[in-house]
Amino acid sequence: DAKTTQPNSMESNEEEPVHLPCNHSTISGTDYIHWYRQLPSQGPEYVIHGLTSNVNNRMASLAIAEDRKSSTLILHRATLRDAAVYYCILRDDRDDKIIFGKGTRLHILP
Amino acid sequence: EADIYQTPRYLVIGTGKKITLECSQTMGHDKMYWYQQDPGMELHLIHYSYGVNSTEKGDLSSESTVSRIRTEHFPLTLESARPSHTSQYLCASSVYPGASGTYEQYFGPGTRLTVT
Repeated sequence: DAKTTQPNSMESNEEEPVHLPCNHSTISGTDYIHWYRQLPSQGPEYVIHGLTSNVNNRMASLAIAEDRKSSTLILHRATLRDAAVYYCILRDDRDDKIIFGKGTRLHILP
Repeated sequence: EADIYQTPRYLVIGTGKKITLECSQTMGHDKMYWYQQDPGMELHLIHYSYGVNSTEKGDLSSESTVSRIRTEHFPLTLESARPSHTSQYLCASSVYPGASGTYEQYFGPGTRLTVT
């Protein structure tokens, strides 16, 4: 399975944008890029996913590099409730299972 | 909002006891999963099911067992709990949504198990 590389942790100030990077240099043509996050003491929740084009939803934006070897999750205006571990995951469109890595622990400073 | 439930949320139990962790979903999803997560560590898939009477072991070996007699219910059982089983257990379900082109998984809130 193609792997992803994320920083162990990041800090950001409240009400500022946050850019969470993910490298996936061995991504294959059928791999979707998924982001999940896990708030403290909760199960993971889906954030966003994309294949080639940038994607926006109510939670975040996903910017995908042209060569697809990296992507960035963008939280436009971080709040304290966005403090969580963010997981960048590659999945084939036929694959239902998720292989979680260590993710990035995001700290939001008030 | 995902409709997937786990009970109990917290369980402290003595060594040697038999325990069953409950997981139910009301979304009609065929696929269900159990993950194990130690504090501050990654989630590891321990069991999954693709439908009634289907169960498979995941990537991480576990002494627990699962059953799938009904679509909505996927309980996990430990016949004899040990301190090494102390962990958080997370249940999830998924369905192929078609239009978005990929599976999404919905997670329950988890059961935090402590074996003394």
